[in-house]
Amino acid sequence: DTEVTQTPKHLVMGMTNKKSLKCEQHMGHRAMYWYKQKAKKPPELMFVYSYEKLSINESVPSRFSPECPNSSLLNLHLHALQPEDSALYLCASSQDPGQARQSYTFGSGTRLTVV
Amino acid sequence: LAKTTQPISMDSYEGQEVNITCSHNNIATNDYITWYQQFPSQGPRFIIQGYKTKVTNEVASLFIPADRKSSTLSLPRVSLSDTAVYYCLVGAGQAGTALIFGKGTTLSVSS
Repeated sequence: DTEVTQTPKHLVMGMTNKKSLKCEQHMGHRAMYWYKQKAKKPPELMFVYSYEKLSINESVPSRFSPECPNSSLLNLHLHALQPEDSALYLCASSQDPGQARQSYTFGSGTRLTVV
Repeated sequence: LAKTTQPISMDSYEGQEVNITCSHNNIATNDYITWYQQFPSQGPRFIIQGYKTKVTNEVASLFIPADRKSSTLSLPRVSLSDTAVYYCLVGAGQAGTALIFGKGTTLSVSS
C-alpha cells in the first residue's frame, strides 16, 4: 500500500457543527502532516506529527484540533469554523522525520465548505 | 529552510521540452531538492528528487549545478495532461522541520 487515504472527500458543515477529517497510511511512515490549501494558492502547513507526537503547530486557531491515535492514523477535529476556513485540507506522510532524503506522499484531500 | 523562487507561469505546446528553473540560494549542505506536481483539487504528487548533478526517472530529469543554488526540472515532450502546477521544495530533512511550499509554476500546455 503506497497511498495516503483521506475521508471524507467532500464535507459541508455549519459554523456550529463539530466534524472530523481522517487520514490513514500503511506505509510505515513516522511523520504525518496537515496542510490547508485555498484556491490558486500553495498548500500551507498546519501541523506536523513526528513519531505520533505533535512537533509543529503553525499557530493554527484552536478551532482546529489535530490528533494522532497511532502511527497510521491522523485526525483533524473541526469545531466552530468560519466560512473563511473553507479550503482543501491535505494530509501527507513521510518516512522518517529528520532524515535528509525523504519524500512526502499526499492524499487527495478533503474539500471542506463551511456555511 | 531555504526559500525557493520559480517563474509564476509558463506556456508550452504539445511535444516540446519544458524546463522550469528554481532558485534556492540559501540551500543547506544536507538539503535535498524535490519537485512535486499538482492538478486542481488533488494532492501534490512527487515527481523527482536530487542532491547534485543529474537525476532522471521515467517522467522527468533534474539538473543541479555544482553550487546547488538552483535546479532545473526538465519535462520531455509534454502533453496536454502535463498542465499543472509544479513546486520546487528544498530541505525539511531536519527534525522539527517540514516542507514549506512556495508559489509554484503554473504550466499550461496547448495543442
